[in-house]
Amino acid sequence: GDSVTQMEGPVTLSEEAFLTINCTYTATGYPSLFWYVQYPGEGLQLLLKATKADDKGSNKGFEATYRKETTSFHLEKGSVQVSDSAVYFCALTPYSSASKIIFGSGTRLSIRP
Amino acid sequence: ETGVTQSPTHLIKTRGQQVTLRCSSQSGHNTVSWYQQALGQGPQFIFQYYREEENGRGNFPPRFSGLQFPNYSSELNVNALELDDSALYLCASSLGGGGTNEKLFFGSGTQLSVL
Repeated sequence: GDSVTQMEGPVTLSEEAFLTINCTYTATGYPSLFWYVQYPGEGLQLLLKATKADDKGSNKGFEATYRKETTSFHLEKGSVQVSDSAVYFCALTPYSSASKIIFGSGTRLSIRP
Repeated sequence: ETGVTQSPTHLIKTRGQQVTLRCSSQSGHNTVSWYQQALGQGPQFIFQYYREEENGRGNFPPRFSGLQFPNYSSELNVNALELDDSALYLCASSLGGGGTNEKLFFGSGTQLSVL
């Protein structure tokens, strides 16, 4: 079945460092891809999305590109801030079942001042 | 603040009991989805309701059931609780049924502990 595999954490970086969180997926057809973020004490929030191959999603300085050939959707940010400390989830909505989201296991990111 | 509210925020039950969790959707949203998030894991899809009808279900046994009311609020019921049911239960609302997952708004969840 469809699934998402993401980089295990925790990931600890210094402020202003470059961030990459790897995500690969297994799916039939053309799923929609997402990154969600869960800040401490808050609910899940959509960070960015891409709905077709080669689309680039971006928000708050974060970017991810839908790569069909490598079945990947890696999250990147050029210069992280302490406020980016959170848990990040890569996710997809299957082409065949638009009512559900399949999430990866999450990557905890901590940024040191 | 997403406008999706869940109650209670925390709950402790014993094995074999039944529990009802509640969700109030964001104003105007007619679709609600429920997810189970075990500690250290990503959320897992339980089911979705659209205009009071079940509109998709994940790999959860029938003792997990739901309701959506005419005002689009929702309940998740779990019968015969098991220890493995201990998790954070998330409700998410959207407008328009399946295919609108990019516009989901999540609540902060109900933390259920089964002893």
